[in-house]
Amino acid sequence: RKEVEQDPGPFNVPEGATVAFNCTYSNSASQSFFWYRQDCRKEPKLLMSVYSSGNEDGRFTAQLNRASQYISLLIRDSKLSDSATYLCVVTEGDMRFGAGTRLTVKP
Amino acid sequence: NAGVTQTPKFQVLKTGQSMTLQCAQDMNHNSMYWYRQDPGMGLRLIYYSASEGTTDKGEVPNGYNVSRLNKREFSLRLESAAPSQTSVYFCASMGVGTVVLDSPLHFGNGTRLTVT
Repeated sequence: RKEVEQDPGPFNVPEGATVAFNCTYSNSASQSFFWYRQDCRKEPKLLMSVYSSGNEDGRFTAQLNRASQYISLLIRDSKLSDSATYLCVVTEGDMRFGAGTRLTVKP
Repeated sequence: NAGVTQTPKFQVLKTGQSMTLQCAQDMNHNSMYWYRQDPGMGLRLIYYSASEGTTDKGEVPNGYNVSRLNKREFSLRLESAAPSQTSVYFCASMGVGTVVLDSPLHFGNGTRLTVT
């Protein structure tokens, strides 16, 4: 079993849609959680950290469920510019990445 | 402010050739990392350096060596390249030392390596 697993995707949604990604992790001792965004053939960039109480940044909401060992990312009112691959990252001493979920937002 | 700089951007090697990927950061970060990214696999940690003078193996260290030359620079060497090492390589740095609480990784632009 992979240490960090994400929805396989790809997700193809129309502009304005709401889309949610989930990510599960296997190490209950994991300390910190992040969502990164990666555009095609570019380096990953931090989208947002995931806090225990959940957090929101504009159209993006991240949630953490320690009991079930998963984190989620919700994107509301999708824009064309949201098209990218979203990487779930979990820290276990070092940082472990999920394989990513590809999102395409269409007009 | 350049952030994390990797060279080269692209490289083609023949099986058995050697090369060194260079990485430098100007953010005074303690920790530096080398990842490889393959389709469907996500980023996998090759080696990391929690501070100047220390290096440790990650998930996939076989076939690689690293050098933390100083606080700024962390190089990755392939002594005898193999086709299985065809990948995109990312260098990254982070401000906090070995304990990651809320410090994101800053990535370089990546090196696209093909081994034929």
